[in-house]
Amino acid sequence: QVQLQESGPGLVKPSQTLSLTCTVSGGSISSGDYYWSWIRQPPGKGLEWIGYIYSSGSTYYNPSLKSRITISIDTSRDQFSLKLSSVTAADTAVYYCARDCNSIRGGHWFDPWGQGTLVTVSS
Amino acid sequence: DIQMTQSPSSLSASVGDRVTITCRASQRISSYLNWYQQKPGKAPKLLIYAASSLQSGVPSRFSGSGSGTDFTLTVSSLQPEDLATYYCQQSYSNPYTFGQGTKLEIK
Repeated sequence: QVQLQESGPGLVKPSQTLSLTCTVSGGSISSGDYYWSWIRQPPGKGLEWIGYIYSSGSTYYNPSLKSRITISIDTSRDQFSLKLSSVTAADTAVYYCARDCNSIRGGHWFDPWGQGTLVTVSS
Repeated sequence: DIQMTQSPSSLSASVGDRVTITCRASQRISSYLNWYQQKPGKAPKLLIYAASSLQSGVPSRFSGSGSGTDFTLTVSSLQPEDLATYYCQQSYSNPYTFGQGTKLEIK
């Protein structure tokens, strides 16, 4: 079955850019009618959806983060990536990637998720 | 943004109990409501999608209901492995938003 794995630095300095990659295995990132999402969770807090990308490259970002986000996709490597610029301590979180499943009947849902990677913003 | 409010924020129940968690949306979202289970230190796992559809492989003791603004997740007979935090999520409109979570403890 499809599995997702996040990778990237665990520590980023304030004002710098956070960069993460999600590798999809067990299936092609281009197959099926799926979107690919990033979601984050600050330590001890709830979940915040960051944005998604489709295999065509079309994106939608959470307006609360839109000015700082770039999500890209590399279908040849079955990977999609997140860049978050000008980070502060408030961006410290576990970052998850997830497959965004959808149905004309019933909206969108996330399944499966990667295991998550903790990114700490600190000097 | 659509605000999702869960109640209670936490609850404690015994093995075998019937447990219900409620999720309320700030506006009507049809049946575009999903439920996730997050065990400590783990990624969330999809339980229910489209308000009432059970994800493959999820035990049948989990069920979802509701439409419009009010939704419920029910565990018919609580098991020790159900210790987790549960989140609802709407996909009626972007940005997708989650409830604040309900922490379920086993007595």
